[in-house]
Amino acid sequence: EGHFLESGGGLVQPGGSLRLSCAASGLTFNYYAMSWVRQAPGKGLEWVSTISGQGGSTYYADSVKGRFTISRDNSKNTLYLQMDSLRADDTAVYYCANSRDGYFFLYWGQGTLVTVSS
Amino acid sequence: DVQMTQSPSSVSASVGDRVTITCRASRGVSTWLAWYRQKPGKGPELLIYATSALQSGVPSRFTGSGSGTDFTLTISSLQPEDFATYYCQQANSFPLSFGGGTKVEIK
Repeated sequence: EGHFLESGGGLVQPGGSLRLSCAASGLTFNYYAMSWVRQAPGKGLEWVSTISGQGGSTYYADSVKGRFTISRDNSKNTLYLQMDSLRADDTAVYYCANSRDGYFFLYWGQGTLVTVSS
Repeated sequence: DVQMTQSPSSVSASVGDRVTITCRASRGVSTWLAWYRQKPGKGPELLIYATSALQSGVPSRFTGSGSGTDFTLTISSLQPEDFATYYCQQANSFPLSFGGGTKVEIK
């Protein structure tokens, strides 16, 4: 069973940048693909990005492609999401989650809130 | 891209009731389908993966079925902790996608 703790959220102006982190514990981190999923206030879940266990493959939703970059440091058991050119519609709680044997999200963190507003 | 459509969007039920939620994919996803429960203010939790496999620790009152484009989640006897929002998710192809959610409310 994995435990994840997201951090790095906050208030940022449109066009600004933010870097989210997800610290993992209780699992062999590099065995798992990792993903970011977001949830706008009062809305449903939206997949954002996924990275393979060794970091060699990455995938992005069209809504963030070219603006967000997913990465991981397996030596630190940490997942990252670099978010640039932020827009108001990026406002959401961002969750990290792990996957293995298919891209089902096994365990989720508690989320970190990103608010994009002037 | 695969669009996931859930129905109903909300349902009112009582403790002990049987509840069924459906999920339809815009094209076939084989059995690459999962269900999640999200309680207010919490992150989602995986209930069912690969259409019908029960995640470790999840009570047996949850069952999943289907294949291709049509899937169902059934809660055989609703418990107080089951009043929450449920989401389906296809894992067949990128971009991964979720249904819009079904809120199970107390009648």
